[in-house]
Amino acid sequence: GAVVSQHPSRVICKSGTSVKIECRSLDFQATTMFWYRQFPKQSLMLMATSNEGSKATYEQGVEKDKFLINHASLTLSTLTVTSAHPEDSSFYICSAYSQGYPHEQFFGPGTRLTVL
Amino acid sequence: GIQVEQSPPDLILQEGANSTLRCNFSDSVNNLQWFHQNPWGQLINLFYIPSGTKQNGRLSATTVATERYSLLYISSSQTTDSGVYFCAVDEYGNNRLAFGKGNQVVVIP
Repeated sequence: GAVVSQHPSRVICKSGTSVKIECRSLDFQATTMFWYRQFPKQSLMLMATSNEGSKATYEQGVEKDKFLINHASLTLSTLTVTSAHPEDSSFYICSAYSQGYPHEQFFGPGTRLTVL
Repeated sequence: GIQVEQSPPDLILQEGANSTLRCNFSDSVNNLQWFHQNPWGQLINLFYIPSGTKQNGRLSATTVATERYSLLYISSSQTTDSGVYFCAVDEYGNNRLAFGKGNQVVVIP
């Protein structure tokens, strides 16, 4: 399979601050990565598609100015939660697919964000 | 968008028992994957199975695309099988996955 990492695994921040989460493909290049959010005891919801070298595509209802996505290289996508509030507290997970496994997605270990 | 329904939502198993988890989807799909989410939140890939049958150890899966459902079989369950099992589908062939609500499985010794 393909390996995806995320950093940090856990972050606690004060309300109003911004938090950056990194998603890396470790052993493959990913022109496209995906960002999901999971609230406690719920399923994963796709937030946006991150495209290398171009703008991200956001799902309906996801604020693009609040969740900034940058995909500057073939192995790194970042999600920045701007002016975080307690309701943004959630588990954020990224995924990517490898050219070697063209339709099978592999997921990072997730980042647990807590906004105080 | 596509609807993905998983059943049963909760399942308690005695260690050693067998079980079947079901995933129904409302439209044709290009991709279907089964995942196991461990207690730390990591999604573990179990099967990429848009159609047909696959087996991996004590787990196997079958997708009948024409009838829009997939089944995940767990045989001789172990306590380490506990967790949430998710079915996810790609409706449009663009790798955007829609997840079901999951099957919460608890295996007791």
